[in-house]
Amino acid sequence: RKEVEQDPGPFNVPEGATVAFNCTYSNSASQSFFWYRQDCRKEPKLLMSVYSSGNEDGRFTAQLNRASQYISLLIRDSKLSDSATYLCVVSQRGFQKLVFGTGTRLLVSP
Amino acid sequence: NAGVMQNPRHLVRRRGQEARLRCSPMKGHSHVYWYRQLPEEGLKFMVYLQKENIIDESGMPKERFSAEFPKEGPSILRIQQVVRGDSAAYFCASSPVEGGYTFGSGTRLTVV
Repeated sequence: RKEVEQDPGPFNVPEGATVAFNCTYSNSASQSFFWYRQDCRKEPKLLMSVYSSGNEDGRFTAQLNRASQYISLLIRDSKLSDSATYLCVVSQRGFQKLVFGTGTRLLVSP
Repeated sequence: NAGVMQNPRHLVRRRGQEARLRCSPMKGHSHVYWYRQLPEEGLKFMVYLQKENIIDESGMPKERFSAEFPKEGPSILRIQQVVRGDSAAYFCASSPVEGGYTFGSGTRLTVV
């Protein structure tokens, strides 16, 4: 079983749609949680950290459920520029060693 | 303030040759990490280094791969006697003592 599991997609949505991605992790010792974005053939970039209390950054909302070991990302009012692969990432010790999911691909169409 | 600099961006090697990948961390960052991304897979942790020290190499293949971060100069990931399965994108990241990662733009290694 992979340590971080994501639905690979692709998710095809029209502009303006709301889309949600889910992720589960297997290591209950995980302490830090993140969503990264990776464009085709580029480096991953931090989108947002994820907290149990939930956090929001503009059109993006992330949620963590430690009991279920489940992380979510909600994107509202999708833009064409949101098309990318979204990587769920966990860490046992801060930033020292990140464990990446394989990513969920999002395609936003006009 | 330049970001994490990796070179070369693309590297082609024949089977059996050596590949040397370089990473210069951001100014003020003392921690370096190497990750590998195989085609259609997620990034996999390889090694975590501080100046002149390997802190965690739990993700490094047991043979042919080595990494260093000398007192002066960039961090080097070396792959000896490359095979086709080594073809991948290799990403370096750096961080300050405490804080978040910044990734470099990666080196794409192709073994022919």
